[in-house]
Amino acid sequence: EVQLVESGGDLVQPGTSLRLSCVASGFTFSDHFMDWVRQAPGKGLEWVGRTRNKARRYTTEYAASVQGRFTISRDDSKNSLSLQMNSLKTEDSAVYYCARAGTVTGNHYNMDVWGQGTTVTVSS
Amino acid sequence: DIQMTQSPSSLSASVGDRVTITCRASQGISNYLAWFQQKPGKAPKSLIYAVSSLQSGVPSKFSGSGSGTDFTLTISSLEPEDFATYYCQQYNTYPLTFGGGTKVEIK
Repeated sequence: EVQLVESGGDLVQPGTSLRLSCVASGFTFSDHFMDWVRQAPGKGLEWVGRTRNKARRYTTEYAASVQGRFTISRDDSKNSLSLQMNSLKTEDSAVYYCARAGTVTGNHYNMDVWGQGTTVTVSS
Repeated sequence: DIQMTQSPSSLSASVGDRVTITCRASQGISNYLAWFQQKPGKAPKSLIYAVSSLQSGVPSKFSGSGSGTDFTLTISSLEPEDFATYYCQQYNTYPLTFGGGTKVEIK
């Protein structure tokens, strides 16, 4: 069974850091691009960023709202994806989902499998 | 950034109804358009990619159409498990962007 399990969500103060993790199973993790997507309470979905695979040199893309503060990394030996979040703001409060970008249309990749999410609350 | 606008933002329908949700992109996105379903407290589920291709296991009552900037998701006959929020999303250009969602409620 293809599965993604996030962890690391917590209640933290503004300006601090937090690291989220996502462990994959049931598929060849190293082959795939991986995404983070978030959802603020009562709001819609917001794409956070993407890491490509080794063949694409693990290059990354980020939303402007997190560029320079968040860093996506992966450890293919552990089937693990991470999201390092620095200088957290109250507006970063959300459920954070990791997703596999397993749908390929031409040379465009998109999300197909999602984890259950982990909750980050940034509040003083 | 490409803005994705869904309409309506919510609708009420009955079991058995045919439902259509519209999504408009602020610029052309070719066929890089996906639809997701989300139920309260749950992760989104991928329904459709490349405008009209069903993800594995998605029933054929769901269908997608459109091109360029205008797209639709149709549910041919609503069942109780289809009451949820639906999001369109473009993956033509970074940043990837989602529509605001359409909540399908029971009439």
